[in-house]
Amino acid sequence: AQRVTQPEKLLSVFKGAPVELKCNYSYSGSPELFWYVQYSRQRLQLLLRHISRESIKGFTADLNKGETSFHLKKPFAQEEDSAMYYCALKFASGSRLTFGEGTQLTVNP
Amino acid sequence: GAVVSQHPSRVICKSGTSVKIECRSLDFQATTMFWYRQFPKQSLMLMATSNEGSKATYEQGVEKDKFLINHASLTLSTLTVTSAHPEDSSFYICSNLAGGETQYFGPGTRLLVL
Repeated sequence: AQRVTQPEKLLSVFKGAPVELKCNYSYSGSPELFWYVQYSRQRLQLLLRHISRESIKGFTADLNKGETSFHLKKPFAQEEDSAMYYCALKFASGSRLTFGEGTQLTVNP
Repeated sequence: GAVVSQHPSRVICKSGTSVKIECRSLDFQATTMFWYRQFPKQSLMLMATSNEGSKATYEQGVEKDKFLINHASLTLSTLTVTSAHPEDSSFYICSNLAGGETQYFGPGTRLLVL
């Protein structure tokens, strides 16, 4: 069965520091990976998806099939990046998402 | 992206009563919607997949008679928590599948059963 693991529940960095939120998955096929973000008192929203290979708000994530990872990175964290981040996996087109446990990122001034 | 609304945003009810939560896809006709449950400081857990015009598909461990889902139109899916009990208190979130690839989430409904 597919599984998504985010090993860090809490992550705290200072403004301007690099940040990496870890995500590992287990799935034997070719999954589609996503990062969702939930700001305080707001709904869950899509941050980026691996097939787009895009950079949103300075965040990037590269799918590493060898390590089965999809870590989210940003070179210089901002205070407004403080939020809950969820890594999610989809194993087929139109199928459901499997979410990781989430990582609460706090960027301190 | 597609806009999803939920109503009510918050509901408090007595134990034993039933509560209906609406999920509307405002600018997109969604043949598929998903219902999730989220406990405090925990991840989203998929409860069921709602398909327009057919029966919902429930995840293992989710009682279909307890959580009734109706997806009568392309823009509305409802989740009814029947005979609610305090352990049903949670945050319920729906999403739609826009274009078959990206899920857009509603703002959630917080249910408190006294």
